[in-house]
Amino acid sequence: KAGVTQTPRYLIKTRGQQVTLSCSPISGHRSVSWYQQTPGQGLQFLFEYFSETQRNKGNFPGRFSGRQFSNSRSEMNVSTLELGDSALYLCASSLELGELFFGEGSRLTVL
Amino acid sequence: GQQVMQIPQYQHVQEGEDFTTYCNSSTTLSNIQWYKQRPGGHPVFLIQLVKSGEVKKQKRLTFQFGEAKKNSSLHITATQTTDVGTYFCAVHAGNNRKLIWGLGTSLAVNP
Repeated sequence: KAGVTQTPRYLIKTRGQQVTLSCSPISGHRSVSWYQQTPGQGLQFLFEYFSETQRNKGNFPGRFSGRQFSNSRSEMNVSTLELGDSALYLCASSLELGELFFGEGSRLTVL
Repeated sequence: GQQVMQIPQYQHVQEGEDFTTYCNSSTTLSNIQWYKQRPGGHPVFLIQLVKSGEVKKQKRLTFQFGEAKKNSSLHITATQTTDVGTYFCAVHAGNNRKLIWGLGTSLAVNP
């Protein structure tokens, strides 16, 4: 069974640009969650999608958005990038209320 | 909103010593999950506890859920260098079952 796949793995952007990250969940998993991880800040929850609907949302500004497609694949977008957006963005998929399976993450550097 | 306090934030031990991390909540928990993240890696699910007073073991790791279901602990016996990483607890909260994460305990093991 293939794991959670995130693309791209690494990317560098400049302030003001926008970025789109992609996540392909484990087959059969309908829940996809996104997290931002920075050194010393733990895992900051961005949002969770289930069957194409945003079910939960963290405390991030509106520049952070996401969506989920009918095949459960998910994308997140960050517009008007700021230096502080530099982080590891992790995607996780799960069955309903089950354990999370994380991808390797997308490491974003904003210059 | 609900918060989960995880202590200690950091722990240095000599190889062979024991290690314990604690996860505390002010409210009763329905369940608790534990994850491990190796340096440079992504979080990996270790275990889920559901029952009051539950104790589960995985080789040198012992997980316990408090009788009041407000706290949990992860104990590692005779640490090894392979135990290095950050250990996170996570709990489902609220009607929408949002997953709340502790800030993690970073374990360093001196050989």
